[in-house]
Amino acid sequence: DTEVTQTPKHLVMGMTNKKSLKCEQHMGHRAMYWYKQKAKKPPELMFVYSYEKLSINESVPSRFSPECPNSSLLNLHLHALQPEDSALYLCASSLAQFSNYGYTFGSGTRLTVV
Amino acid sequence: SQQGEEDPQALSIQEGENATMNCSYKTSINNLQWYRQNSGRGLVHLILIRSNEREKHSGRLRVTLDTSKKSSSLLITASRAADTASYFCATPLLETSGSRLTFGEGTQLTVNP
Repeated sequence: DTEVTQTPKHLVMGMTNKKSLKCEQHMGHRAMYWYKQKAKKPPELMFVYSYEKLSINESVPSRFSPECPNSSLLNLHLHALQPEDSALYLCASSLAQFSNYGYTFGSGTRLTVV
Repeated sequence: SQQGEEDPQALSIQEGENATMNCSYKTSINNLQWYRQNSGRGLVHLILIRSNEREKHSGRLRVTLDTSKKSSSLLITASRAADTASYFCATPLLETSGSRLTFGEGTQLTVNP
């Protein structure tokens, strides 16, 4: 298995809803990442997990809450989002959180906040 | 903040022509990576070139790296309509908390049949 699987592919949520994005990989990668991408812009790093521990939080608002239950799963819990949080949310993984490995990306979750 | 800048921002060519995209970066790097993204989809890793390499090939792709100028280029030869996508260069920034991959602004390539 050489894929990163993200669910759901599309999500529409109200500003008072609570939802979760899920990401799964079975490549034995020990680093996992959440990126946010707005239209016609490059991906921006949100969180990094290394060996299931949060190693980087890019000053993301607390309405985004990451969780890494085990080495294969990464969740992003969403609560009280704003319309400007609408974006493509990308999960990625790499063999380790060091610099000489390419990342494998999922196909993303298209989030719309209404 | 983004590490890299790419040019051109947009490139439109005819099928069969070559496409060249350039990337400049600011800090010292261990490697530079290129990714492709089809509209609204995830990114696909194309090629990684290490700082001690000057050129690397993969199929129709050729990547060069000039660390003295802090720049890289991606050449796609004999382009196809299926090559239409956004192309991003990315560099890992090393910090005490680990490595973070940051992306350039990207080049939107359109290959016309």
